[in-house]
Amino acid sequence: GQNIDQPTEMTATEGAIVQINCTYQTSGFNGLFWYQQHAGEAPTFLSYNVLDGLEEKGRFSSFLSRSKGYSYLLLKELQMKDSASYLCAVLDSNYQLIWGAGTKLIIKP
Amino acid sequence: ETGVTQTPRHLVMGMTNKKSLKCEQHLGHNAMYWYKQSAKKPLELMFVYNFKEQTENNSVPSRFSPECPNSSHLFLHLHTLQPEDSALYLCASSQEREHTDTQYFGPGTRLTVL
Repeated sequence: GQNIDQPTEMTATEGAIVQINCTYQTSGFNGLFWYQQHAGEAPTFLSYNVLDGLEEKGRFSSFLSRSKGYSYLLLKELQMKDSASYLCAVLDSNYQLIWGAGTKLIIKP
Repeated sequence: ETGVTQTPRHLVMGMTNKKSLKCEQHLGHNAMYWYKQSAKKPLELMFVYNFKEQTENNSVPSRFSPECPNSSHLFLHLHTLQPEDSALYLCASSQEREHTDTQYFGPGTRLTVL
């Protein structure tokens, strides 16, 4: 079966750095997405990785290793507004998105 | 502002009621999706429409009935629902289905079935 694993919840301090991991086992691979979802709001697109390596976008970076079936989302200089759930999703060989259950990130002052 | 709107934002209904959820996208996309989001569970894909044609129905019970009159509008008709159907229902759109295009989501309808 297809599976995406990510931690259920993480806590970090304002101003610090946090890394949210995602491991996957899917039928084929056409890329990996990270979305941010604030409580009661729409998931919003953060990043898309299809090649190995690190993609940086401001305070957020996303890393992919296809051989290891592994990705992480790195958030730097954490702000209170970064408190949200972060969803990892893999596009399989049928171009269907396989979703993880999300990681709830709590930022403390 | 994501360009995808959903109404209503909240809905409470009894098991014998009939209601409809509406989604509209202003992004010029050709693919639209219905997802169910339950607490601490992955998003569950329910239906996919590509160029107004239903391309996927992921074993969804018949009490959920989708309708896509054009590429900009998507409905989910609900009847005789069960309490376990209570969840956040999200609509999304992307340029096309068979592609690596990003999906853009609406804010969802929080459904409670009594």
